[in-house]
Amino acid sequence: AQSVSQHNHHVILSEAASLELGCNYSYGGTVNLFWYVQYPGQHLQLLLKYFSGDPLVKGIKGFEAEFIKSKFSFNLRKPSVQWSDTAEYFCAVNNAGNMLTFGGGTRLMVKP
Amino acid sequence: KAGVTQTPRYLIKTRGQQVTLSCSPISGHRSVSWYQQTPGQGLQFLFEYFSETQRNKGNFPGRFSGRQFSNSRSEMNVSTLELGDSALYLCASSLVVGLNTEAFFGQGTRLTVV
Repeated sequence: AQSVSQHNHHVILSEAASLELGCNYSYGGTVNLFWYVQYPGQHLQLLLKYFSGDPLVKGIKGFEAEFIKSKFSFNLRKPSVQWSDTAEYFCAVNNAGNMLTFGGGTRLMVKP
Repeated sequence: KAGVTQTPRYLIKTRGQQVTLSCSPISGHRSVSWYQQTPGQGLQFLFEYFSETQRNKGNFPGRFSGRQFSNSRSEMNVSTLELGDSALYLCASSLVVGLNTEAFFGQGTRLTVV
């Protein structure tokens, strides 16, 4: 069975700091990769996705992620975070059908 | 375009009771998946329906069941509720099934079992 690991459970940053959240998955075949964000009291929203092609994908709100197949990684980055980025971030993998396997999530707090 | 709608938003039930949660997918979407979100276990896949057929099922006991109607709306049912079933239940809809599709999530139903 595939699994997804997010190594940072809690991250605290000051505004304007750079962000990198790690995500590693275990499945060796073709996968789709996603980052979702859950703002307090809101539903899960898609930040970005990787299906194929350019391994550097850009999403909404200035986020980007890089797929490194050899490392089974899909790390999320943002050059300069804002207070409004405070949320929980989930990495997810889909290798068949529509079943998503999620990582444990990373709670990001951005101090103003 | 309306998003994924889940009803009710909040529920309080007593141990041993059963509960039915409803999900209306985005118009035109034919795949509906259900997830359980808890602080301890995170987001876990329950099951997926497409064209009224269950395609995948997660590792949950048989007390958890679901169905999908011809209009793609879906319901999930939990029988003989246990305290550990307290969770946020999320529904996601997708246009089709397979790789290269993305899931859109609803607000969830917060179930509390007392």
